[in-house]
Amino acid sequence: GEDVEQSLFLSVREGDSSVINCTYTDSSSTYLYWYKQEPGAGLQLLTYIFSNMDMKQDQRLTVLLNKKDKHLSLRIADTQTGDSAIYFCAERKEGSQGNLIFGKGTKLSVKP
Amino acid sequence: DGGITQSPKYLFRKEGQNVTLSCEQNLNHDAMYWYRQDPGQGLRLIYYSQIVNDFQKGDIAEGYSVSREKKESFPLTVTSAQKNPTAFYLCASSWAQGAAEAFFGQGTRLTVV
Repeated sequence: GEDVEQSLFLSVREGDSSVINCTYTDSSSTYLYWYKQEPGAGLQLLTYIFSNMDMKQDQRLTVLLNKKDKHLSLRIADTQTGDSAIYFCAERKEGSQGNLIFGKGTKLSVKP
Repeated sequence: DGGITQSPKYLFRKEGQNVTLSCEQNLNHDAMYWYRQDPGQGLRLIYYSQIVNDFQKGDIAEGYSVSREKKESFPLTVTSAQKNPTAFYLCASSWAQGAAEAFFGQGTRLTVV
């Protein structure tokens, strides 16, 4: 199966919170990432969390890591139409020489 | 401004031709990577390089070649041996092995006509 799994779609109303979930399978992962991709563009690093942490907050973004369940989530507070994009979860495995394993991405649609 | 530059943004190729995608970075990063993205798919690693004059195959290297003659540059050649080359190609870079942050270019969309 896939190393990193995400639901493919999420739709929210402007001003609500968005929660994008991700599961991974390798308990030796060192870092876990969230990237944002707007149409036709490259990937923008939003945030990352080291595997010995369980939470990281950066302005409207909150990352929660449940290492026991291998579950990562990204919460976007006060979601705006500009947040509409595809969000990729990625893991870096220990000893992987920096290579990232990506999920298929979650397409977030924000309705006015 | 520091960053990663990929060119061109759009590229068209006839079947049977080789084509080279450019990736340049001025971040002084040691490591560089090439990923391929297909619609509805995650990114898959083609090749990566941890240091000048050294590179390693990723998960889908067949039909591709790279070179790393300079720290700033990591061009990717899509050869005629690549069976299904139409895709979005993304280049990334990071500090040496184990660095937390990896930054991406804006991508090159390759279409075989």
